[in-house]
Amino acid sequence: AQSVTQLGSHVSVSEGALVLLRCNYSSSVPPYLFWYVQYPNQGLQLLLKYTTGATLVKGINGFEAEFKKSETSFHLTKPSAHMSDAAEYFCAVSEDFKTIFGAGTRLFVKA
Amino acid sequence: NAGVTQTPKFQVLKTGQSMTLQCAQDMNHNSMYWYRQDPGMGLRLIYYSASEGTTDKGEVPNGYNVSRLNKREFSLRLESAAPSQTSVYFCASSGQGGTGNNEQFFGPGTRLTVL
Repeated sequence: AQSVTQLGSHVSVSEGALVLLRCNYSSSVPPYLFWYVQYPNQGLQLLLKYTTGATLVKGINGFEAEFKKSETSFHLTKPSAHMSDAAEYFCAVSEDFKTIFGAGTRLFVKA
Repeated sequence: NAGVTQTPKFQVLKTGQSMTLQCAQDMNHNSMYWYRQDPGMGLRLIYYSASEGTTDKGEVPNGYNVSRLNKREFSLRLESAAPSQTSVYFCASSGQGGTGNNEQFFGPGTRLTVL
């Protein structure tokens, strides 16, 4: 069965610092992997996705993620945090019609 | 192009009352989903509809029913609400469900409180 583990329910960084949000998955088939972002009182929106091909995936707002099959990881990074990045981030793995979401990581950005 | 819309935005029910949450999408997507979001638990799938005319249970279907009214609309019904159903409910749709490349588009959510 598929599963997703996000390490750290809360991450706090200073504005301008590196953002690193960790995600590990398990899947019995080649995975489709996603990162979604949720701003307060809104639905989720797609940041980026890995399907096939290049393992470094670039998304919106300067975020990127690297698929590492040997480590079963799909960590999300951004070189320089901005105050507007404060939100909750969800890693997800998809197979057929179902998507399994991680528990989420809330990112706080300090001025 | 409104994307995915949900009504109502907020609802307060008493235990035992019933209600239907409405969802519609205008992206001509085949697949639609209902999730609930609870603190620290991410999103959990309640029911999904792979295509018009089909519905299937997800991870937490107990206490809920769904109807895929047509390709655009997918409703979620609580027949007898319980406090454990207090949550935020999200509807989503996908144009590529079944391939695994299952990018989903979410509505703004319905905040439901059951007293």
